Amino acid sequence: GEDVEQSLFLSVREGDSSVINCTYTDSSSTYLYWYKQEPGAGLQLLTYIFSNMDMKQDQRLTVLLNKKDKHLSLRIADTQTGDSAIYFCAEGPYPYDKVIFGPGTSLSVIP
Amino acid sequence: EPEVTQTPSHQVTQMGQEVILRCVPISNHLYFYWYRQILGQKVEFLVSFYNNEISEKSEIFDDQFSVERPDGSNFTLKIRSTKLEDSAMYFCASGKGSGEKLFFGSGTQLSVL
Repeated sequence: GEDVEQSLFLSVREGDSSVINCTYTDSSSTYLYWYKQEPGAGLQLLTYIFSNMDMKQDQRLTVLLNKKDKHLSLRIADTQTGDSAIYFCAEGPYPYDKVIFGPGTSLSVIP
Repeated sequence: EPEVTQTPSHQVTQMGQEVILRCVPISNHLYFYWYRQILGQKVEFLVSFYNNEISEKSEIFDDQFSVERPDGSNFTLKIRSTKLEDSAMYFCASGKGSGEKLFFGSGTQLSVL
């Protein structure tokens, strides 16, 4: 069945790069997403990648997709304290319909 | 940026009571969703709604659950007789159309005592 896994915690120093990893099982997934949740807030779509791409860059964010290994990563360059949040990896067979979420990685940025 | 609004932010209820969670999706959106997250667990899909009917629902969305778009602006989730295991954060989301990104609300934390 569909399943998405992530490590639950990551701690980095301000200014370093953060890399959050994710694995998924549904090989038919068309879209893979990264959502961010700040305390008390909703789920904010950070970025997404089509399954036929292997990399996408958006300012400080770089998404890498290894479709063969079903592995997705999010790299945040020059991590800031404002990046502290929970980051959810997610996949979907249809564009933005029925998104399947991972458990979330809690990123703590140490000043 | 436009927002999906959910009320209340916290709801406490007794087991067996009915609850209605309210959402105001973004005004020109056509697709609506409910998700939930039990504490410490994953965010789970509950139901999608389009053209005034349910387009897909998960196994969780049993006869105790219903959704409604009563007046063209609100989108509600009703739990008829709440159970302890319904305690969770419930997220509403909306999208312009299939293929468009989803916007999520900040959630309603439901506690069933």
